[in-house]
Amino acid sequence: NAGVMQNPRHLVRRRGQEARLRCSPVKGHSHVYWYRQLPEEGLKFMVYLQKENIIDESGMPKERFSAEFPKEGPSILRIQQVVRGDSAAYFCASSPERGGQPQHFGDGTRLSIL
Amino acid sequence: GDSVTQMEGPVTLSEEAFLTINCTYTATGYPSLFWYVQYPGEGLQLLLKATKADDKGSNKGFEATYRKETTSFHLEKGSVQVSDSAVYFCALYNQGGKLIFGQGTELSVKP
Repeated sequence: NAGVMQNPRHLVRRRGQEARLRCSPVKGHSHVYWYRQLPEEGLKFMVYLQKENIIDESGMPKERFSAEFPKEGPSILRIQQVVRGDSAAYFCASSPERGGQPQHFGDGTRLSIL
Repeated sequence: GDSVTQMEGPVTLSEEAFLTINCTYTATGYPSLFWYVQYPGEGLQLLLKATKADDKGSNKGFEATYRKETTSFHLEKGSVQVSDSAVYFCALYNQGGKLIFGQGTELSVKP
């Protein structure tokens, strides 16, 4: 059984470009969570999605960041006009039901901004 | 709001030493508590969990007891190995779906 798959593992962007991070949840899981890990810090919640719905986006920056989880295909975290401060590891987790614990984590996408 | 506080690292131990990583939390209600481990370049793996007061979670020689009276969930292991070197995160789940993490404690075990 495949776990949570994230790609790319590493992503390099120049300031002002767009970054797209993909997450395929565990098969059968319809709930996806995105977390950000800044250097030397713990993980901070960003957004919680169910298929075609955003359930909680209280941790998402108000500008430049968006997330979706379409009916078909992976969940996408999109960062527009990236800045140096966006450099971080972005982790995706999934669960089979709302609030289901524990959440299963992917290996993350490490985003570097030049 | 809910929060988790862990002891700061890095923690450096010799092989076979006793490990304690302190974790305390602030939360309303009755959260579930977790320890996750992150090896270099990898994602988080669930190490153990406890869902109610006085529960003890255990896995791979690690243990943690949910202490509601002291709002703590300290991680312990009697004899660490070099392969235990990693970053350990304490986390809580209360409601709504999201996990709340502590800042992580880096453990380095020397042979």
